[in-house]
Amino acid sequence: NAGVTQTPKFQVLKTGQSMTLQCAQDMNHEYMSWYRQDPGMGLRLIHYSVGAGITDQGEVPNGYNVSRSTTEDFPLRLLSAAPSQTSVYFCASSYSWGSYEQYFGPGTRLTVT
Amino acid sequence: GESVGLHLPTLSVQEGDNSIINCAYSNSASDYFIWYKQESGKGPQFIIDIRSNMDKRQGQRVTVLLNKTVKHLSLQIAATQPGDSAVYFCAEPTPNTGNQFYFGTGTSLTVIP
Repeated sequence: NAGVTQTPKFQVLKTGQSMTLQCAQDMNHEYMSWYRQDPGMGLRLIHYSVGAGITDQGEVPNGYNVSRSTTEDFPLRLLSAAPSQTSVYFCASSYSWGSYEQYFGPGTRLTVT
Repeated sequence: GESVGLHLPTLSVQEGDNSIINCAYSNSASDYFIWYKQESGKGPQFIIDIRSNMDKRQGQRVTVLLNKTVKHLSLQIAATQPGDSAVYFCAEPTPNTGNQFYFGTGTSLTVIP
């Protein structure tokens, strides 16, 4: 199994540009989530999904959209990038909503200028 | 809101010594805690967990201690190796949210050869 994969690994955007961060898992996990990690702060939940077709907001959802059309994929979309979205983004998955052990991807480092 | 914090931002230990990383939590109702290891440029990796009905749990070279009286967790790493150099952080579930967690900011462990 590849586990949780994320692309791209690095990305630079200009303010106002849009892009999609890709996340995929091959473990047939129901639960997937997106976090951002900023210096001096713990991981913060952006959006999560408890299964295909179901998504919900986390702690810091503004400026981000998600969809979950398949069990495997959970892309994160930035519609109009802002410098405040400069961060490292991690995707994670776990077997189910009640399963605490999450598997994290390698991260995407995003810089918005 | 509730928070999870770590006592020290950095810790340096000599190779072969034992390491102790501490974590304070504020929600006395939390019933589960996780320790993660995050190596530079990688995603967090689950190390060990503990439920609130336990005081101690041991893994391979790692032990987690839970003191519910003072709401304190510690991660002990025996015979620390250079490969243990990483950021370690603890996490506790946010109330009634399934897989959502509060994550600490982390302690950076450096192992001196």
